[in-house]
Amino acid sequence: KQEVTQIPAALSVPEGENLVLNCSFTDSAIYNLQWFRQDPGKGLTSLLLIQSSQREQTSGRLNASLDKSSGRSTLYIAASQPGDSATYLCAVILYQGGSEKLVFGKGTKLTVNP
Amino acid sequence: GAVVSQHPSRVICKSGTSVKIECRSLDFQATTMFWYRQFPKQSLMLMATSNEGSKATYEQGVEKDKFLINHASLTLSTLTVTSAHPEDSSFYICSARGPDTLYEQYFGPGTRLTVT
Repeated sequence: KQEVTQIPAALSVPEGENLVLNCSFTDSAIYNLQWFRQDPGKGLTSLLLIQSSQREQTSGRLNASLDKSSGRSTLYIAASQPGDSATYLCAVILYQGGSEKLVFGKGTKLTVNP
Repeated sequence: GAVVSQHPSRVICKSGTSVKIECRSLDFQATTMFWYRQFPKQSLMLMATSNEGSKATYEQGVEKDKFLINHASLTLSTLTVTSAHPEDSSFYICSARGPDTLYEQYFGPGTRLTVT
């Protein structure tokens, strides 16, 4: 059974810091991996999707890497801002029986202090 | 583009009653919709997958007779929680995808259900 773990569970940093969020998964047979942002009581906003054949994706101040063989992904946020405060979710995308399934971690709650 | 809405955003119902949650794709045809549940400080867990015009496929441990899913059109799926109990109180999120989204899932804003 695929399990996704995110470390740390919570992180508080001063504005301007660069930071790394970690995600690990137990089964390397994934289709893709996706990072999301969730604001309190809200739905999910997709940040980056990494296909299994890719090693990284970049969007603005965000960079996500993927190492399938070791079952790890990282999300790097450069020059953090208070508006980055949210919960960041990592999800592995599996393809089983002709159907797609996302398995999520519990998230990392990020607080960026002004 | 690729906007998904949910209604209502919050609902409170009494134990034993049923409540319906709607999920709509506003600007694309959703050939597949997914329903997730998220308990406090827990992961989002997939409950069921539905393809338009077909019966939903439920994940292990999810009671199909309790959580009724209808995906009768390419823009609307509904989740009905029947005979609700306090332990059904949770955050329910839907997602949708289709050819226009290149089959990537787009998520709705969620519905907070409280059963008293």
